[in-house]
Amino acid sequence: EPEVTQTPSHQVTQMGQEVILRCVPISNHLYFYWYRQILGQKVEFLVSFYNNEISEKSEIFDDQFSVERPDGSNFTLKIRSTKLEDSAMYFCASSEWAELTFGSGTRLTVV
Amino acid sequence: GIQVEQSPPDLILQEGANSTLRCNFSDSVNNLQWFHQNPWGQLINLFYIPSGTKQNGRLSATTVATERYSLLYISSSQTTDSGVYFCAVERDDKIIFGKGTRLHILP
Repeated sequence: EPEVTQTPSHQVTQMGQEVILRCVPISNHLYFYWYRQILGQKVEFLVSFYNNEISEKSEIFDDQFSVERPDGSNFTLKIRSTKLEDSAMYFCASSEWAELTFGSGTRLTVV
Repeated sequence: GIQVEQSPPDLILQEGANSTLRCNFSDSVNNLQWFHQNPWGQLINLFYIPSGTKQNGRLSATTVATERYSLLYISSSQTTDSGVYFCAVERDDKIIFGKGTRLHILP
């Protein structure tokens, strides 16, 4: 069964550093998403991406964040100047239309 | 923005019991999905159910879009059903999750 692949599974970074989280969506999917989940809390929408541009973003997704589809297969989330409160599980998802398939997530720890 | 409320927030059941999880949403939505987050953190798609009823083994779901709620039924629960169940609704290119129901099945 096709799946969404995220790398790395775990990332530890120093406060103030930049991180790039990578995702390979399902190949025929057109819509891409990033979500985050702070430990023990709800899953929060960050951004949706379609046709090589952001289609919707939440108030969380400020100038610290950016997304890119650098080639035909990867979808990345860049977090600049990481803060302690950026520590969370980050999930990528993709969909052909509306039904999401999630990756296994990247656990980001900012120290 | 749209509000998604799930109930109950926590549920502890004995193995073999049945349960009903509820998702209420505050406005009309285009789509609704149920997810299971297992104890390892993985989000597994259970149902894509903007309306109507679907069944998959011991799990079934019903969405009544006109009344803005969805129900997830788990029958004959097993310890592997433990985890958090999220409802997520889609509107205006955003998919918004509820806070989830944490289910703990005791052996």
